[in-house]
Amino acid sequence: DSGVTQTPKHLITATGQRVTLRCSPRSGDLSVYWYQQSLDQGLQFLIQYYNGEERAKGNILERFSAQQFPDLHSELNLSSLELGDSALYFCASSAGSGNTIYFGEGSWLTVV
Amino acid sequence: EDQVTQSPEALRLQEGESSSLNCSYTVSGLRGLFWYRQDPGKGPEFLFTLYSAGEEKEKERLKATLTKKESFLHITAPKPEDSATYLCAVQEVEQAGTALIFGKGTTLSVSS
Repeated sequence: DSGVTQTPKHLITATGQRVTLRCSPRSGDLSVYWYQQSLDQGLQFLIQYYNGEERAKGNILERFSAQQFPDLHSELNLSSLELGDSALYFCASSAGSGNTIYFGEGSWLTVV
Repeated sequence: EDQVTQSPEALRLQEGESSSLNCSYTVSGLRGLFWYRQDPGKGPEFLFTLYSAGEEKEKERLKATLTKKESFLHITAPKPEDSATYLCAVQEVEQAGTALIFGKGTTLSVSS
C-alpha cells in the first residue's frame, strides 16, 4: 500500500459526460501528480500541483482540469468525454522536489 | 522523439535465467532516473532512484545501474513472482515541476 488513495476505482460513463476523480496523497506529501495510462501510449504526465498551486503541465487536454485543495487532496475533472478518454488514471504524490513519487492504484475510466 | 526508450518491449525467461532490461534516455540534464514495477491493473511500485553515472542499487534479485546515457535493470535468477512490467522514468534538471517522464516499459514473464 503506497498510501495514495484514489476513488472511484472503476467508472463507466457515456460520451459527452463529465466525471471527477479524487485523490488523497500520502500523509505529509505536498505534491500531487496526475497521469493517464492507455495501452498504446504508456504513462502520460497530465499535471502537477504543489501545495495548492499548479506547478507543471504535461499533455493535459483543455477538456480536463484539476485542482488541489487546502487539505491537499486533489481532483481531476474530465468533461465532454470521448471514447478515446477511456484509460487508467493515476494519482501520485511526493514530499517535494527530488523525493520519491508514489502512485495510487488508479481509477479505471470506461467511456461508452 | 521519445526521451525514454526501453528495450526489449517483452522478455520471456525461464526461472533462474538471468537477464537485463535496458533504458536509454535523452535529456539535457538528469536529475534522477527511476525504476518502477507495475502489475496488471495496479499502480506502479517504486523500486530504485539513481542520480549519477556509476551509481548502483540492489534489492533482492534486482540490481539497477546508471551510465550517462542509459540504465540497466539486472535480474538475477528470476522467479515467476518477478513477472511484471518494469518502467523506467527520468526527471530532468531543466523542467518545470518534478514530474517523471516514463518509457513504455518492458513486460517480463518468468516461467517455472
